[in-house]
Amino acid sequence: GNSVTQMEGPVTLSEEAFLTINCTYTATGYPSLFWYVQYPGEGLQLLLKATKADDKGSNKGFEATYRKETTSFHLEKGSVQVSDSAVYFCALSERGGSNYKLTFGKGTLLTVNP
Amino acid sequence: DTAVSQTPKYLVTQMGNDKSIKCEQNLGHDTMYWYKQDSKKFLKIMFSYNNKELIINETVPNRFSPKSPDKAHLNLHINSLELGDSAVYFCASSQGYGGGYFGPGTRLLVL
Repeated sequence: GNSVTQMEGPVTLSEEAFLTINCTYTATGYPSLFWYVQYPGEGLQLLLKATKADDKGSNKGFEATYRKETTSFHLEKGSVQVSDSAVYFCALSERGGSNYKLTFGKGTLLTVNP
Repeated sequence: DTAVSQTPKYLVTQMGNDKSIKCEQNLGHDTMYWYKQDSKKFLKIMFSYNNKELIINETVPNRFSPKSPDKAHLNLHINSLELGDSAVYFCASSQGYGGGYFGPGTRLLVL
């Protein structure tokens, strides 16, 4: 079946450091790809998405490019802030019957220190 | 205005009890979901409904019964609660592609 593998954390960075969180996927067909963020004690928020190869999703300074040739969707940010501390989930969307469903990676905890 | 809301936010109960979690979305989406997040933060889909019809049931024990009275609501009823049911349950809605809006979660603790 389809799966998502993302780098294990925790990741600890200093403020203004460069962030990369790796994500690779296994899928039949061409899924849509997503990054979600979960702040402590809260639900999931959609951070960005890409629906086809070579698409770049971006939001709040975060970017990720859908790379079909390497089956990857790595999350990057040029300069992290303390407020970016959260758990980040990579996910793909696949069909389940007539619906779509999300398959998630295990999440990467990011801590940004001042 | 909250897009996807869930009640209650916290639920503490004894083993063997029956409990329900309610979810409502005001986005006009056709599709709603229940996801379970375990203690290691791993998220897995449980159910998906499309316009009140059950579409996805991911090998969830039949003690869990979702009900969708209309396309804006998807409730989750759990019978005979077990310790292993302790988790955070998220409701979500979407319009295509599977990605969408998540509720704030219901933190269930079974004692």
